[in-house]
This record gives sequence, C-alpha cells and structure tokens, in this order.
Amino acid sequence: GAGVSQTPSNKVTEKGKYVELRCDPISGHTALYWYRQSLGQGPEFLIYFQGTGAADDSGLPNDRFFAVRPEGSVSTLKIQRTERGDSAMYLCASSRGGTGTGELFFGEGSRLTVL
Amino acid sequence: GEDVEQSLFLSVREGDSSVINCTYTDSSSTYLYWYKQEPGAGLQLLTYIFSNMDMKQDQRLTVLLNKKDKHLSLRIADTQTGDSAIYFCAESIGDDKIIFGKGTRLHILP
Repeated sequence: GAGVSQTPSNKVTEKGKYVELRCDPISGHTALYWYRQSLGQGPEFLIYFQGTGAADDSGLPNDRFFAVRPEGSVSTLKIQRTERGDSAMYLCASSRGGTGTGELFFGEGSRLTVL
Repeated sequence: GEDVEQSLFLSVREGDSSVINCTYTDSSSTYLYWYKQEPGAGLQLLTYIFSNMDMKQDQRLTVLLNKKDKHLSLRIADTQTGDSAIYFCAESIGDDKIIFGKGTRLHILP
C-alpha cells in the first residue's frame, strides 16, 4: 500500500483479555518498528524487526508483550492478560533499513483502551 | 543509558523565530532527527542531520548539531500558525534503533 496501515484503529478491551494489533508496512521496507505513546509523552520504543527477526526487543515492558513478523512484511503485536496500564496509542513504523537515513514512516496508530 | 531530553513547551509570537533544543546521550549516533506531530495526525519526519555535519538549512528550518555537548537544535524562522505542533527530537542507536524524546509542544501566539 501507499503508507503504513494499522488495524484496528481503536480497540477497547477488558482487563485480563488478549489483544492483537496488526501493522502492514510500506512495501519493500525491511525494517519495522513498534512504539507505544501515552498522552503527553513521546513514542516509547518497544521492538524492531529487520526482515523476519527481532533485531532489538529491549523495549518490551514484560513477557505479556510479544511481536512477530513471520514473512518479513506484516507484523502483529500481541498483548496477553491486558492491564489498565497498557492503555496507550500503539504506533507502527517502517523504514527501508540498511544504510539509508533511517527515516521512519509511521502509521496512524492503534488506540488501545483497557477497562 | 539511551535518553533524549527536550523541554516540553515553547510559546512564540507569529513571525518570530522558534528554537527547540534537545540533548541526547549516544555519541555514536549516525543520524539525528526532528519529527513533527500535528493534532490528530501521525508523526512525520521534518528534517534530519548526519552526525558529521554541524549545520543543515532547509528553507525556514535550520538544524544545529554540537557533537561535543550532544546538543541538537531546530530553528524555525518566521513562525506561522501552521507550525503549531509537537516536535520530537530523535537519535539513531546502533544500526537502526531510533529513540525519541518526549516532544516539545510549540504554541503560536497571535
């Protein structure tokens, strides 16, 4: 597609439920990033992929969070046993990777609300 | 650790220059970036500077980089109401990891 696509745009769930957020990057972009942004804060790094592998997952807050990118394109961020503190905007971005400028192209985000 | 710091709020009169400052921690950063987030919209790259440069000018935007002090600034000349947004400083860490600051909200006074 023309840009980074994220679904759903809004997700409301109950505490303890499982959630999946999907990101479809720009075609041909090898690097894919997940960030979390709370109100009034900057994007907080969670994980990034080079191709199919997670190159750096040091930002995942705990083992309830997991992300996959099985074919090197679409990625899914999975959150188990959601907690109210997980409520935030989850942003996905992609870039060409390699030796470019590293410009990130962001999607519009998935807003997660845990009741 | 990895950290990017910037002031949270800046208020400027229309037509004046805006200067947004940022400090970062990783001296090996290859690129430093300024992203812009307008209300209700996603982040977009505004400009970037390669670490071996100390200045970059792009129309109304001037980026200054002081590597010794790990200080980055963004100057917007002739600030307009359309410049009202949140500006995020970001640095590249290692090969591709990019870390953002908390953002500076630029408010334009009439």
